[in-house]
Amino acid sequence: AQSVAQPEDQVNVAEGNPLTVKCTYSVSGNPYLFWYVQYPNRGLQFLLKYITGDNLVKGSYGFEAEFNKSQTSFHLKKPSALVSDSALYFCAVRDGSGGSYIPTFGRGTSLIVHP
Amino acid sequence: DSGVTQTPKHLITATGQRVTLRCSPRSGDLSVYWYQQSLDQGLQFLIQYYNGEERAKGNILERFSAQQFPDLHSELNLSSLELGDSALYFCASSARLAGESDTQYFGPGTRLTVL
Repeated sequence: AQSVAQPEDQVNVAEGNPLTVKCTYSVSGNPYLFWYVQYPNRGLQFLLKYITGDNLVKGSYGFEAEFNKSQTSFHLKKPSALVSDSALYFCAVRDGSGGSYIPTFGRGTSLIVHP
Repeated sequence: DSGVTQTPKHLITATGQRVTLRCSPRSGDLSVYWYQQSLDQGLQFLIQYYNGEERAKGNILERFSAQQFPDLHSELNLSSLELGDSALYFCASSARLAGESDTQYFGPGTRLTVL
């Protein structure tokens, strides 16, 4: 079985400050991890993914995520937040060792960046 | 723009009715996924098709069905609609059935309102 948890329903940050959106996962085999962003009335947009290799993954719009195997976490980060980053963020995991190749999504974290 | 298109954008109908949602995957993508997004349930995987064949089923009700046509577009049929079926329905596509770095790309969604 696979699961993902986004412990915060909402994250508030001031523009220009660093931001972190948390994600922890559980999977039997090798984790394939994804972050998506959803703007109001839009579909989910792919931001970045971790499959293997460097634990720090860089993605679109200046976002990056750090894979931590011991803590089973894949937190999304950005050094300097923009008001336009305000959106709903989803973490997803699937088992890269076989099993279900359908990713499981977290419930989402609403990021609000204040001017 | 992900390259995945969905029609219609909005759909308002009455309880007991039947509707059809349509999805065209990105050019060259063989795999299509359907998701339901509601406030209380989050993003729920419904069903996946690959090159015309059903490959995975998630939390899809018996009143719902889907198919993928030879031109690879897909349709999700929802019948005997209930108030609780009101939600955003997303289609996503990916290049292959499953792969080391396969990524799902989402369409803009269809907002279904059942009155």
